[in-house]
Amino acid sequence: QVQLQESGPGLVKPSETLSLTCTVSGGSVSSGSYYWSWIRQPPGKGLEWIGYIYYSGSTTYNPSLKSRVTISVDTSKNQFSLKLSSVTAADTAVYYCARVYWSAYTPRGSRPRTSYYFDYWGQGTLVTVSS
Amino acid sequence: DIQMTQSPSSLSASVGDRVTITCQASQDISNYLNWYQQKPGKAPKLLIYDGSNLETGVPSRFSGSGSGTDFTFTISSLQPEDIATYYCQQYDNLPFTFGPGTRVDIK
Repeated sequence: QVQLQESGPGLVKPSETLSLTCTVSGGSVSSGSYYWSWIRQPPGKGLEWIGYIYYSGSTTYNPSLKSRVTISVDTSKNQFSLKLSSVTAADTAVYYCARVYWSAYTPRGSRPRTSYYFDYWGQGTLVTVSS
Repeated sequence: DIQMTQSPSSLSASVGDRVTITCQASQDISNYLNWYQQKPGKAPKLLIYDGSNLETGVPSRFSGSGSGTDFTFTISSLQPEDIATYYCQQYDNLPFTFGPGTRVDIK
């Protein structure tokens, strides 16, 4: 059974850098069948996708956060990490790491497609930005 | 970005009722849509992928349909354990975006 676990400080000061790590067990971040993603949820609000990384180190970020986000992967530790710089109170949220299953195929009589879905999630960790 | 809307934002229904949630995309996304269930204090859980495919282990009372811009999520017979917020999510274009959620309560 795949499990993901977020870790990192629960309190970050404004203008500093938020750093979180996701440790994966029961599966490998080196698998080519998945991307590894971060998603956040401000208290009482909806879900925002932050970005994802492939085992090769290739990343894609949400343009709304791209200038401040770095996602990295450490295959030797079976972990991937998030750094978000210059944080403000608006970055206060529960941060989730998640596995993204992807599959490229061509349905009969249709055009090629790629499916993506978040199939395993960490429990989430609340990060509060406050002085 | 593709904007996702959901209606209603919340609903109350009785045990055994049929519950329907709609999700609308700001542009055609074919059936590139997933549905998640989030219980209070928990991470979201995948229920439906590719618009209508039931994730392994998910009860068959959950179903999804639709294509293009309009999608429907249905619970055929509401159970007490279905109390949660339900989110749709598109993956036709990056960035992935989620709907604002629909909170389901027991009447």
